[in-house]
Amino acid sequence: GDSVTQMEGPVTLSEEAFLTINCTYTATGYPSLFWYVQYPGEGLQLLLKATKADDKGSNKGFEATYRKETTSFHLEKGSVQVSDSAVYFCALSDRGGADGLTFGKGTHLIIQP
Amino acid sequence: DAGVTQSPTHLIKTRGQQVTLRCSPKSGHDTVSWYQQALGQGPQFIFQYYEEEERQRGNFPDRFSGHQFPNYSSELNVNALLLGDSALYLCASSLFTGVQETQYFGPGTRLLVL
Repeated sequence: GDSVTQMEGPVTLSEEAFLTINCTYTATGYPSLFWYVQYPGEGLQLLLKATKADDKGSNKGFEATYRKETTSFHLEKGSVQVSDSAVYFCALSDRGGADGLTFGKGTHLIIQP
Repeated sequence: DAGVTQSPTHLIKTRGQQVTLRCSPKSGHDTVSWYQQALGQGPQFIFQYYEEEERQRGNFPDRFSGHQFPNYSSELNVNALLLGDSALYLCASSLFTGVQETQYFGPGTRLLVL
């Protein structure tokens, strides 16, 4: 079955540092890929998505590129802020997002001033 | 534009009881999905409802059941509660296109089973 593997956290960075959170996936077809963010005590917010190979999703300075050859969708940001502290989830869905999402375990990001 | 809403926000039950959680989808959405998020874990897909029918189901026992109403709102029912059912239950809504869809999540209902 489908699965998503994320790097273990917590990841602790200083403000303005470069961020990479690794995500790899296993899927039978050609899934859509997503990054969701969860702030303390809240539900999940969609951060960005990509629906086919080589697509780049971007939002709020975050980027991720759909790499079919390496089955990866790594999240990057050039300069993180304290307000980026949250838990980040990589997810996939077959049929372009119409199916139930399969999530990774999440990566807790802590940004120190 | 109202987002996805869920009620109640918190709930405490005892083992063996039954619970009903409610979800109203984002305006214009017709599909509702439910997820269970245990502490420190990623959400697990329970099932999805479209046109008042269960369209897809994850690996959850029959104790978990649902319903979708004509106004697209939905309920999640859990019977014979176990301690392991303690979790954050998330509802997500989307607009069915059959091709490209994005699920938007509500704030969740936190269930504690004692």
